Amino acid sequence: AAGVIQSPRHLIKEKRETATLKCYPIPRHDTVYWYQQGPGQDPQFLISFYEKMQSDKGSIPDRFSAQQFSDYHSELNMSSLELGDSALYFCASKKGGVAGELFFGEGSRLTVL
Amino acid sequence: QQQVKQSPQSLIVQKGGISIINCAYENTAFDYFPWYQQFPGKGPALLIAIRPDVSEKKEGRFTISFNKSAKQFSLHIMDSQPGDSATYFCAAAYAGGTSYGKLTFGQGTILTVHP
Repeated sequence: AAGVIQSPRHLIKEKRETATLKCYPIPRHDTVYWYQQGPGQDPQFLISFYEKMQSDKGSIPDRFSAQQFSDYHSELNMSSLELGDSALYFCASKKGGVAGELFFGEGSRLTVL
Repeated sequence: QQQVKQSPQSLIVQKGGISIINCAYENTAFDYFPWYQQFPGKGPALLIAIRPDVSEKKEGRFTISFNKSAKQFSLHIMDSQPGDSATYFCAAAYAGGTSYGKLTFGQGTILTVHP
């Protein structure tokens, strides 16, 4: 079965650089969520999109932005990177509006040097 | 402020034993309580979930017990196996729009099952 696809899987950047992470949800899933997981930490909700509109916002820094495109894939753009941005970034998808399984991708590991 | 508190931080059990992980929540608006399993370098995967209208749910070796009045819920893993060694997260979410995917996670429990 198709899963949530994230790219790149690993990314190394310097401080103050910009990074873009991509997420391709499971087919027919209309809702995408982004989470950040620091080392040894629980995942923290960043932002979500439903039918290409931002639906909810969590602890996402102002330096980060995201959007969902017409094909439902999503991109997380991170600018002015800081050392503390080093983390695993997970994208997850589901059908919106109902309780049910949230499917996570395998994550993109960002390292900021 | 951690809205979902999870304990213990780590747990070691012998093969065949019972693993028990506990969580407590603050926000009474939460009405969906899933448990996720995460292996190193992988994304969390749903194990089992419960709504507050039932006190217990069992799927195979995994059981969730839910106490609405105490705002607590727990995961029991029966006949624990070495392959169950992973990090387990409880989580909570509430209804409304897309909020069921906006999970508030507990701090995680690292489970080690010795052969």
